Amino acid sequence: RKEVEQDPGPFNVPEGATVAFNCTYSNSASQSFFWYRQDCRKEPKLLMSVYSSGNEDGRFTAQLNRASQYISLLIRDSKLSDSATYLCVVKNTGGFKTIFGAGTRLFVKA
Amino acid sequence: NAGVTQTPKFRVLKTGQSMTLLCAQDMNHEYMYWYRQDPGMGLRLIHYSVGEGTTAKGEVPDGYNVSRLKKQNFLLGLESAAPSQTSVYFCASSRITGEQYFGPGTRLTVT
Repeated sequence: RKEVEQDPGPFNVPEGATVAFNCTYSNSASQSFFWYRQDCRKEPKLLMSVYSSGNEDGRFTAQLNRASQYISLLIRDSKLSDSATYLCVVKNTGGFKTIFGAGTRLFVKA
Repeated sequence: NAGVTQTPKFRVLKTGQSMTLLCAQDMNHEYMYWYRQDPGMGLRLIHYSVGEGTTAKGEVPDGYNVSRLKKQNFLLGLESAAPSQTSVYFCASSRITGEQYFGPGTRLTVT
């Protein structure tokens, strides 16, 4: 079983739609969680960190469920520019081991 | 402020050839990383460094060597390239907080 698992998609949604991605992780000692965005043939870029109480950044909301060991990303009012691959990232306690999920592809169409 | 830069951007090697990938960062970050990314798989850590003069193995270190002689530079070497090393290589740097900033990547093909 992979340490971090994501639905690869693709998710095809119309502009203005709300879309949610989930990501599960297997190591209960994981301490830090992030969502990165990666455009086609580009480098990953940090989208947002994920905090225990949940956090929001504009149209993006991230949630963490430690009991079930998953994190989620909700995108409201999708824009064409949101089309990208979204990477779930988990960092374990006390070290530098950062595990990247394989990513979920999102296509937003007009 | 260029962030993280990588050279070269593209390279084609024949099996058995060697090469060095250069990563440079101007954010004064202590930590630097080398990853490879293959289709359908997440980024996999090859080697990392927690400071000038230090290096450590990541998840997939075999066939690669690294050096960090200066804080701002992190070099990745392939001594004898193999087709299995065809991939996109990303360098990243970070502070202790763990948010990583990536370079634009090097696309390597080994024939």
